[in-house]
Amino acid sequence: EAQVTQNPRYLITVTGKKLTVTCSQNMNHEYMSWYRQDPGLGLRQIYYSMNVEVTDKGDVPEGYKVSRKEKRNFPLILESPSPNQTSLYFCASGRSWVTGELFFGEGSRLTVL
Amino acid sequence: GENVEQHPSTLSVQEGDSAVIKCTYSDSASNYFPWYKQELGKRPQLIIDIRSNVGEKKDQRIAVTLNKTAKHFSLHITETQPEDSAVYFCAASIGAGAGGTSYGKLTFGQGTILTVHP
Repeated sequence: EAQVTQNPRYLITVTGKKLTVTCSQNMNHEYMSWYRQDPGLGLRQIYYSMNVEVTDKGDVPEGYKVSRKEKRNFPLILESPSPNQTSLYFCASGRSWVTGELFFGEGSRLTVL
Repeated sequence: GENVEQHPSTLSVQEGDSAVIKCTYSDSASNYFPWYKQELGKRPQLIIDIRSNVGEKKDQRIAVTLNKTAKHFSLHITETQPEDSAVYFCAASIGAGAGGTSYGKLTFGQGTILTVHP
């Protein structure tokens, strides 16, 4: 089954404790991206990757890091989480960076105390 | 960078009525405009998209129109049903051939909560 898998789905952590949200897709997609969803603000792009070893900042990259060492994986790293990073996070992948349908993961709800 | 404004933020209609959601974008280089539907507690899913070389696209009860001159695009849902109740997001991006450094950036609107009353 074609899918984008995120882990963990739910996480409560404390300020400053490094965490990683993993994202994996099994569709051989070139393009992957991370979004955060906050009420009234829609989906805001954090980072995106057009292919292996190619990443770039989205609209709200501060406080986040990513890496794309393999085509299927695109982890989101919060080196020192803060309460303003409490949000619902979505990973998405697409066949190419040109244009086209994005397939979203189920989301990861993160709470930073 | 690109800025996408979406209106209204909430929309309530009776079953069978039509619903229209409007978005404006700021970057004239944007050439791809998808719409995503997100049901409560679920992930966003693409429902329709349009590219800048097309003025209108229709898929059963859903249609999207694009006015490049005015830099706005709209989603039209006819004969609404309760299962159309969801949050709808518009988005804009610059694809291949448009030049610049914005490849890969997909900017979403703020979302519209559509409620269809039986």
